[in-house]
Amino acid sequence: RKEVEQDPGPFNVPEGATVAFNCTYSNSASQSFFWYRQDCRKEPKLLMSVYSSGNEDGRFTAQLNRASQYISLLIRDSKLSDSATYLCVVFMDSNYQLIWGAGTKLIIKP
Amino acid sequence: DAGITQSPRHKVTETGTPVTLRCHQTENHRYMYWYRQDPGHGLRLIHYSYGVKDTDKGEVSDGYSVSRSKTEDFLLTLESATSSQTSVYFCAISPSSGDSYNEQFFGPGTRLTVL
Repeated sequence: RKEVEQDPGPFNVPEGATVAFNCTYSNSASQSFFWYRQDCRKEPKLLMSVYSSGNEDGRFTAQLNRASQYISLLIRDSKLSDSATYLCVVFMDSNYQLIWGAGTKLIIKP
Repeated sequence: DAGITQSPRHKVTETGTPVTLRCHQTENHRYMYWYRQDPGHGLRLIHYSYGVKDTDKGEVSDGYSVSRSKTEDFLLTLESATSSQTSVYFCAISPSSGDSYNEQFFGPGTRLTVL
């Protein structure tokens, strides 16, 4: 079992819709969680950190469920520019390294 | 954008040849990382450095070596390239690590093809 798992998609969503995807992690001792965004043939960039109480940044909402060991990302009022691959990342405080999911591809259609 | 460059950006080489990829930063960050990215896999850590001449292995270090003689440069060497090392290689930097996460900033990547 992979340490961090994501549905690879693609998620095909009409512009203006709300889309959500989850990520599960296997190590219950994981300390910190993040969502990165990666555009086609580009480098990953931090989208947002995920806090225990949940957090929002504009149209993006991240949630953490430690009991079930999953992280979610919700995108409201989706834009064409949201088309990208979203990478779930877990920080392992046991070795100070990041464990990356393989990513979920999102395609927003006009 | 963080000042990170990678060279070359694209390379095609033959099996058995040595290859060196370069990562250069202008941010004076302490930590530098080399990852590879393959379809169906998340980014996988090859090696990382926590200071000049201080390096350690990551998850997939076999067949790779690194060197960091200056804060700004981190070199990744494939001793004898194999087709399984065909991948996209990303360098990343971070101001610190330790007991709390700091955002990692990525270079543009190097696409390596080993024939």
